[in-house]
Amino acid sequence: QVHLMQSGAEVKKPGASVKVSCKASGYTFTNYYVHWVRQAPGRGLEWMGVINPSGGSTTYPRKFQGRVTMTSDTSASTVYLEVSTLRYEDTAVYHCARDPNGGTSAAFDYWGQGTLVTVSS
Amino acid sequence: QSVLTQPPSVSGAPGQRVTISCTGSSSNVGAAYDIHWYQQFPGTAPKLLMFGNGNRPSGVPDRFSGSRSATSASLAISGLQAEDEADYYCQSFDSGLRGYVFGTGTKVTVL
Repeated sequence: QVHLMQSGAEVKKPGASVKVSCKASGYTFTNYYVHWVRQAPGRGLEWMGVINPSGGSTTYPRKFQGRVTMTSDTSASTVYLEVSTLRYEDTAVYHCARDPNGGTSAAFDYWGQGTLVTVSS
Repeated sequence: QSVLTQPPSVSGAPGQRVTISCTGSSSNVGAAYDIHWYQQFPGTAPKLLMFGNGNRPSGVPDRFSGSRSATSASLAISGLQAEDEADYYCQSFDSGLRGYVFGTGTKVTVL
């Protein structure tokens, strides 16, 4: 069965960076794009970008360009999200999610359990 | 900064029918991009509930249905059950932002 397993919670100081991992199993890793979505406490869902694990091409929304980096390791079936120059408002649960459709029809059919990143001094 | 607007909350008695609207613009819903819906319980990851405007993944009861018009989409829950109490989000693509957007979210309460 499809499973996305994320790394554990992190506490970081403002200005630091954080790297979250998402290990995929139960399907052919390189056949599906993976997106990252975050949710601040008590808030809604926010799309952070997408990576094609086959080749590593990425797309980020303007809001996150220059501060977010997504990478993939096909040998480990794992994708990574790195957020730099952390601010208090980056405190959120970060989810990876698989995309069975791609393109403008992208939907998220399997999600990781989420990784809480807390930015605190 | 969600570009898809949903009512903050809807409620209904067990057995009733409730609908959740998702209103967008000409760069997303109005551009005929697919609308997807997610269900989220507190402390858990969202779950895909409806995709491609009205298709249910395996295991989703047929009490859930989706529809759309020119600039809005709707999720309907018929025969409301206590287990349907959750947050619901719509999602689509926005050509202006060149990325994916979520609705503001709706909390469904079963009275």
